Amino acid sequence: EIVLTQSPGTLSLSPGERATLSCRASQSVSSSYLAWYQQKPGQAPRLLISGASSRATGIPDRFSGGGSGTDFTLTISRLEPEDFAVYYCQQYGNSPPAFGQGTKVEIK
Amino acid sequence: QVQLVQSGAEVKKSGASVKVSCKASGYTFTSYAMHWVRQAPGQRLEWMGWINAGNGNTKYSRKLQGRVTITRDTSASTAYMELSSLRSEDTAVYYCARDPIGSSGPYYCDDWGQGTLVTVSS
Repeated sequence: EIVLTQSPGTLSLSPGERATLSCRASQSVSSSYLAWYQQKPGQAPRLLISGASSRATGIPDRFSGGGSGTDFTLTISRLEPEDFAVYYCQQYGNSPPAFGQGTKVEIK
Repeated sequence: QVQLVQSGAEVKKSGASVKVSCKASGYTFTSYAMHWVRQAPGQRLEWMGWINAGNGNTKYSRKLQGRVTITRDTSASTAYMELSSLRSEDTAVYYCARDPIGSSGPYYCDDWGQGTLVTVSS
């Protein structure tokens, strides 16, 4: 089973800054089948990115995903107040699907 | 629009079973699949299993295999997740989430239910 490790655990940034989140897989993720989700306290996760780089419907273009193989990134180009949340990556190229442990983006 | 509405919070004793429902609307239920994902307090999301709503095929997490059963009622556009032999570590919020690919899988989750808190007490 693939294990996903996200880094850093917490990212302290100010609104307007750029955020770069990392997701590393214990083995290569088939077909770049990697998704990113955003979760705010008390809410269900929301899909941001699938296929490593395809934004979901309604997701602003300040969110972008990249990477392949074992190393993937989520970039938020300019943080808006509503972007402070926890972000999870999920691989679905190999069964079973698995989630990373999350990166919290907090206001500095 | 896609809506997944889950049943309400549950409190169960250790050793009991719980069954959570997820009613889908806004799309053709049998054309997609459904995941079940849980999240213990302060923990990461954990994938539990998946059902192809069209043909009923299921896949389960190895960790939960034997304790979790996912079913669906196509006439009611509803998916169900039953977890047996509950223990305190099963206290979590349980989510259903639609898989947009539908056929083979599992893949990823594009729409989520609101979550159902299941509390297991001794």
